Amino acid sequence: KNEVEQSPQNLTAQEGEFITINCSYSVGISALHWLQQHPGGGIVSLFMLSSGKKKHGRLIATINIQEKHSSLHITASHPRDSAVYICAVRRKVGYGNKLVFGAGTILRVKS
Amino acid sequence: DVKVTQSSRYLVKRTGEKVFLECVQDMDHENMFWYRQDPGLGLRLIYFSYDVKMKEKGDIPEGYSVSREKKERFSLILESASTNQTSMYLCASSLMAGGVQETQYFGPGTRLLVL
Repeated sequence: KNEVEQSPQNLTAQEGEFITINCSYSVGISALHWLQQHPGGGIVSLFMLSSGKKKHGRLIATINIQEKHSSLHITASHPRDSAVYICAVRRKVGYGNKLVFGAGTILRVKS
Repeated sequence: DVKVTQSSRYLVKRTGEKVFLECVQDMDHENMFWYRQDPGLGLRLIYFSYDVKMKEKGDIPEGYSVSREKKERFSLILESASTNQTSMYLCASSLMAGGVQETQYFGPGTRLLVL
């Protein structure tokens, strides 16, 4: 079983819909990241959170440490939101920290 | 803005060739990382470095080595490329602040095809 599981793997939505992507993890972490990867490969960090909730524009990320679960919400979705969304958890190892990644959720928003 | 650049966007090599992938960051970050990304598997850590000349193995270091002679540059070396090393390779860097690693910034990726 992967340490970080995302659901769904694929998601197709109509423009304007509210979208939720889920991430569950099975290890102790110090932080959780949500990343966005557009076609062509570039990865952008959306959020880093260790408790509660963060909001940036139409994006909201929440985390429940006790339940080892995080969600990424997109309100009023738009075709430009189409991308792969990746959840990653930060684990302490050796002298540093490493990220363990989920397999990603492929989101397609249709106009 | 943080900038992480990778030496090539696309690379085609033959089995057995030695391959160098270079990554440069311009924000004086202590930490640098090399990942590979394969469909259905997500990103997997190959090696990371937390200082010049320091390195630690990630989850899948076999078949790879790294070099960090200068703080801004982290090189990934495939000593003898094999077809199962065909993948997207991503470099990232991050700051260490107060003993805590900050957000990772990613390069654009290098898509490597080994024939």
